Amino acid sequence: DQQVKQNSPSLSVQEGRISILNCDYTNSMFDYFLWYKKYPAEGPTFLISISSIKDKNEDGRFTVFLNKSAKHLSLHIVPSQPGDSAVYFCAASVSSFSGGYNKLIFGAGTRLAVHP
Amino acid sequence: DGGITQSPKYLFRKEGQNVTLSCEQNLNHDAMYWYRQDPGQGLRLIYYSQIVNDFQKGDIAEGYSVSREKKESFPLTVTSAQKNPTAFYLCASSIDYMQGYSNQPQHFGDGTRLSIL
Repeated sequence: DQQVKQNSPSLSVQEGRISILNCDYTNSMFDYFLWYKKYPAEGPTFLISISSIKDKNEDGRFTVFLNKSAKHLSLHIVPSQPGDSAVYFCAASVSSFSGGYNKLIFGAGTRLAVHP
Repeated sequence: DGGITQSPKYLFRKEGQNVTLSCEQNLNHDAMYWYRQDPGQGLRLIYYSQIVNDFQKGDIAEGYSVSREKKESFPLTVTSAQKNPTAFYLCASSIDYMQGYSNQPQHFGDGTRLSIL
């Protein structure tokens, strides 16, 4: 039972354009969502997060949008750069204050390729 | 420079052998986690520890064991009972709610790739 799904295994975008990575979840108890970026043979690096009390969080070129009614979140990268080429993982958790243990549930990842 | 150190980077195991993967953090984080990544899949939680001398099974704990004797260290043993141990193993840590924080991201080490000889 996949609680967090990234339905697009790969995405190719031209440099300078917008990259949109999507993520769907099924557990309505999730209240904290994160995006991680991963290069081969390295650990994931935290990119940006959003709490369920918000619907948007922005950090430089990265913006995460949360649609709770649709159980959907997306990561927008504008403008996309070749160095953004990596695998992006969406993750969700039930926070400790909500009775969870901050355990992260990860999607399978989307491989982003930004070409010149 | 604070961070999470995993060693070794590559590890080979013979059939019937137990191996231990090291994870050390100097971030003063209470919580630590072990994940496994297989090709084309997301990270799956093996074990986690909220505090020293306490740990809980994750979603795929069978064939693995852990200890948490020190705040900084959370070693993972892959036992001979784990029938498919070939994978990329990732250790993570986070500030936990016990320190008055909530919704803090987990920070990851660079992983250990385990292969069977």
